[in-house]
Amino acid sequence: AQTVTQSQPEMSVQEAETVTLSCTYDTSESDYYLFWYKQPPSRQMILVIRQEAYKQQNATENRFSVNFQKAAKSFSLKISDSQLGDAAMYFCAYRSAYWGGSNYKLTFGKGTLLTVNP
Amino acid sequence: DAGITQSPRYKITETGRQVTLMCHQTWSHSYMFWYRQDLGHGLRLIYYSAAADITDKGEVPDGYVVSRSKTENFPLTLESATRSQTSVYFCASSESPLDRGSSYEQYFGPGTRLTVT
Repeated sequence: AQTVTQSQPEMSVQEAETVTLSCTYDTSESDYYLFWYKQPPSRQMILVIRQEAYKQQNATENRFSVNFQKAAKSFSLKISDSQLGDAAMYFCAYRSAYWGGSNYKLTFGKGTLLTVNP
Repeated sequence: DAGITQSPRYKITETGRQVTLMCHQTWSHSYMFWYRQDLGHGLRLIYYSAAADITDKGEVPDGYVVSRSKTENFPLTLESATRSQTSVYFCASSESPLDRGSSYEQYFGPGTRLTVT
């Protein structure tokens, strides 16, 4: 079974600064997807960024980028030019790329609560 | 409304009562999921469904029942609610990986906060 670990329960950053959230995962599979979800106080789960394991290039979405290290099974999220609206709980998640059964579920880490200080 | 909706958004019930949480999606996605979110645990899968009339257990299925008679609906029933089932429940849906151009993304509903007293 796959596991996802977020070792930082809480992080804080100054507005306009850069912050990196850590995520490691354990799997025996070679093909999979990794995601970062944002959960603001509204509780809505919002997809921030996605990485396909077969792609060596790190995914980027505006101010959000990832550092995907497949051999190390590491998938960190970098937020540049942090804004007050980035304050939220961030979840790292894993999904198998293989067909069948519960492979399509997401396995989540426990989350990192990000505070943005003005 | 387009998208994925859940009802009710908030529910308080008593121990031993049956309660049903509703989930409805308008995209005709094949896959639907129920997760629960608890502090210190992230989100954990309760049940999932690959298509109408096809459902299977996830990590924490005990005490829950699901059905899926129509593609768009995936209700979750707590047969006899217990305090340990106090949680926030999320429904999600996604395309089948067999669908051409599938994004593999799961789309989440707004969640239902359930309190069992």
